[in-house]
Amino acid sequence: AQKITQTQPGMFVQEKEAVTLDCTYDTSDPSYGLFWYKQPSSGEMIFLIYQGSYDQQNATEGRYSLNFQKARKSANLVISASQLGDSAMYFCAMREVGNDMRFGAGTRLTVKP
Amino acid sequence: NAGVTQTPKFRVLKTGQSMTLLCAQDMNHEYMYWYRQDPGMGLRLIHYSVGEGTTAKGEVPDGYNVSRLKKQNFLLGLESAAPSQTSVYFCASSYSSGSDTEAFFGQGTRLTVV
Repeated sequence: AQKITQTQPGMFVQEKEAVTLDCTYDTSDPSYGLFWYKQPSSGEMIFLIYQGSYDQQNATEGRYSLNFQKARKSANLVISASQLGDSAMYFCAMREVGNDMRFGAGTRLTVKP
Repeated sequence: NAGVTQTPKFRVLKTGQSMTLLCAQDMNHEYMYWYRQDPGMGLRLIHYSVGEGTTAKGEVPDGYNVSRLKKQNFLLGLESAAPSQTSVYFCASSYSSGSDTEAFFGQGTRLTVV
C-alpha cells in the first residue's frame, strides 16, 4: 500500500530565506507520480509541483523545486526566497498508475517577517 | 471556469441526522473522489468513482455512501451522522488514473456534527 510520511508538523522560516519541507514515500510500483499541494488558511488545495518516478531531473516551478532522491524514496519541496504569502499547510502526495492519490499528514509552514 | 464546486460550504448537523454533499465538475473528468481532512492525518480517501454509474470504497468508507448518476456529479451521503464525522470534506476530480495526473479540488465543506 502507498504510504506518505511528512515528519515536520510545523516549520518556521524567515522571510526571503529558503526552506525545505520533507516527504518520504513507500511504494513497490516502479511507476508513480509525486505531487505537492499548498493549502492556505482559506482552505483550498492548490497544486504546486509534480515529479514523475522516471524523470531524470528535479522538477522546478518558479520558486518551488522538488529535491527527488529516488533511492532514498524522498521528494522534498524546496521553497526559495520565502514570502509571507507562503505561510500555509503543505501536503505531499503520491499516485501510482491506476490508483487514487494518497496524502501525507502535512506540514504547516510559517514565514516570519 | 468553475472547475470543481462543492455544496454546501458549511453545515452543522445533529447526531443521527442525514445529509448529502454535492460535488459538481465541469471538466468532463472521468474520475472523482471524496476525501476527508482531519488534523494531523492529511487527506484520507472515503470513496471514489472511475466513471458514471461506478463507485468504489477508499480508505475510510464506513458511515458514508456515494452515487455517481451523472458524469459531472458525485454525491456523498451521511445516513446517520456521528460526531466522529466532524471534518472538512474535499471533492476532487481527474481526467485519468495515470500516475502523472493532477487532481483538481473543490473548496471544501466544513461539517460539524454535534
